[in-house]
Amino acid sequence: QAGLTQPPSVSKGLRQTATLTCIGNSNNVGFEGAAWLQQHQGHPPKLLSYRNNNRPSGISERLSASRSGNTASLTITGLQPEDEADYYCSAWDRSLSEWVFGGGTKLTVL
Amino acid sequence: EVQLVESGGGLVQPGGSLRLSCAASGFTLNNYWMTWVRQTPGKGLEWVANINQDGSRKHYLGSVKGRFTITRDNAKNSLYLQMNSLGAEDTAVYFCARDTGDLGAFDIWGQGTMVTVSS
Repeated sequence: QAGLTQPPSVSKGLRQTATLTCIGNSNNVGFEGAAWLQQHQGHPPKLLSYRNNNRPSGISERLSASRSGNTASLTITGLQPEDEADYYCSAWDRSLSEWVFGGGTKLTVL
Repeated sequence: EVQLVESGGGLVQPGGSLRLSCAASGFTLNNYWMTWVRQTPGKGLEWVANINQDGSRKHYLGSVKGRFTITRDNAKNSLYLQMNSLGAEDTAVYFCARDTGDLGAFDIWGQGTMVTVSS
């Protein structure tokens, strides 16, 4: 499966800002954008952002998503201990007719 | 409460079959595309298959085509995944998830059910 590319890990300090990236191509991220999910160890994924970069209700305003070309980004400001988790991007790939995920980024809050 | 609950996982021998179920509650299943996603222990997420509202359109991950079949019974508010010719590479936690359609995301996830393929 041709997936999206995410850095395996990102480390930032408490109350700092982290920006996570997700690189795809013109058939997936560049086509309709990417959604973002958060997963804590032992729990199912949780939706953080739709592919139009809007947040579902209940998701903190500290999180914001954006896209530039084939790269989607998730920015988390004022990092808190509870933000430490794995983050995944997902997009529909029109050439594969499959959903594709990134490999995930483990965010560590120091 | 909007909820998805998977069942049917377990230990199966290579070449064997298993049928997973996903029971939906708190929303009308037939308004949504539905999806199966799997996660190998300690690894990332992998989309497996999806199905449209009336079951007439389905898509599959290349490596499961011809082996897995996704179906749904809207009257029972349930989604299914029939898995045949299982191999070690299919060992994973299988999640069912609700597809938001035009919003392009999976907004409701079940807790997952573990499938282990081993002799």
